[in-house]
Amino acid sequence: DAGVIQSPRHEVTEMGQEVTLRCKPISGHDYLFWYRQTMMRGLELLIYFNNNVPIDDSGMPEDRFSAKMPNASFSTLKIQPSEPRDSAVYFCASSYLSGAYNEQFFGPGTRLTVL
Amino acid sequence: RKEVEQDPGPFNVPEGATVAFNCTYSNSASQSFFWYRQDCRKEPKLLMSVYSSGNEDGRFTAQLNRASQYISLLIRDSKLSDSATYLCVVNYGSGNTGKLIFGQGTTLQVKP
Repeated sequence: DAGVIQSPRHEVTEMGQEVTLRCKPISGHDYLFWYRQTMMRGLELLIYFNNNVPIDDSGMPEDRFSAKMPNASFSTLKIQPSEPRDSAVYFCASSYLSGAYNEQFFGPGTRLTVL
Repeated sequence: RKEVEQDPGPFNVPEGATVAFNCTYSNSASQSFFWYRQDCRKEPKLLMSVYSSGNEDGRFTAQLNRASQYISLLIRDSKLSDSATYLCVVNYGSGNTGKLIFGQGTTLQVKP
């Protein structure tokens, strides 16, 4: 059974370029989360969706970041224009809310380097 | 104040040792608590949930103290394979919103 799939696994780009990260959640999961992880700040929640609808985007750092979920099996996180301080590992996670139990399953992450 | 606080470590222990990690959370209305494990350059994965009465899974024991807003993880008879970062995780808010807040993580290095 496939887990959360993310692409690309690694991305190196130059400052000012547009970056698009992709995520396919586990089939049947109704929540999707985008996180960013750095040594300094740890794992930060950027935005999350429930049934394809954005619920909380308070963690999105600024207008350069945008996320979409056009259907239950696909989501994108876009950075335009990218800056060196955006360099981090970006994780996508999905979950199915059942009672009080909501384990999140993470994808392998996209390691982004902005030069 | 951070919503979930942990001692980042690192904790360096010999094989066979017992080690304990602690975590505090700020939202008294939180209802669900977890420990996740993250190996180097990998994604976080659920280690265990934390229940009010405390729970055990093999060598791992988790405790919750709601009055002090404190969570702990005890690892007995440490193995080399336990080397990882352990993330304390708390649900956001009083209901079950699906949103989790992750601590910064505590790094454990088990040495032979």
